[in-house]
Amino acid sequence: AQKVTQAQTEISVVEKEDVTLDCVYETRDTTYYLFWYKQPPSGELVFLIRRNSFDEQNEISGRYSWNFQKSTSSFNFTITASQVVDSAVYFCALSEEGADGLTFGKGTHLIIQP
Amino acid sequence: DAGVTQSPTHLIKTRGQQVTLRCSPISGHKSVSWYQQVLGQGPQFIFQYYEKEERGRGNFPDRFSARQFPNYSSELNVNALLLGDSALYLCASSHGNTYNEQFFGPGTRLTVL
Repeated sequence: AQKVTQAQTEISVVEKEDVTLDCVYETRDTTYYLFWYKQPPSGELVFLIRRNSFDEQNEISGRYSWNFQKSTSSFNFTITASQVVDSAVYFCALSEEGADGLTFGKGTHLIIQP
Repeated sequence: DAGVTQSPTHLIKTRGQQVTLRCSPISGHKSVSWYQQVLGQGPQFIFQYYEKEERGRGNFPDRFSARQFPNYSSELNVNALLLGDSALYLCASSHGNTYNEQFFGPGTRLTVL
């Protein structure tokens, strides 16, 4: 069965610090997809990134970067030079090809203090 | 372009009642999925519909049902409400399967008293 673990329940940093959110996943499939979503206080989930299991290249988008390592079943998310607007709950999710729906982790509440 | 829309925004019901939640996907998207998010937890998959057919079902009781209409909008019905059904219900739309990029609506906050 698929499972996503986000061990960090809450992280609090001061603005401009770098912060990494951890995500560890479990799956028996060789083809799967990993996602990160941001959930601000308004509640709407905002898509950040999708990665398939065959693409281990790290990705950078502005201040955001993602590190995918199949050897450790991890898909970590780093925010560089954090800003107050980054404060939100961040979810990592997994989908196996042919499976039903996304499996989400419990989320990490990120607090950026000014 | 309009995103995923859901109605109503908030809903208060009492135990034993029935509720219907509505979702309109992004134009051109044929797949709609429903998720339940209890406070402090990640969303849990309830249903996926694609081209008006049920494609997947999560581990939820038969009190939960859904359907998709010819215009690809969808309804989620919950019968015999329990206190534990209180949650944020999220709808997501995508082009096809759930491993495609999914776009979520703002959700319906259901409170069962």
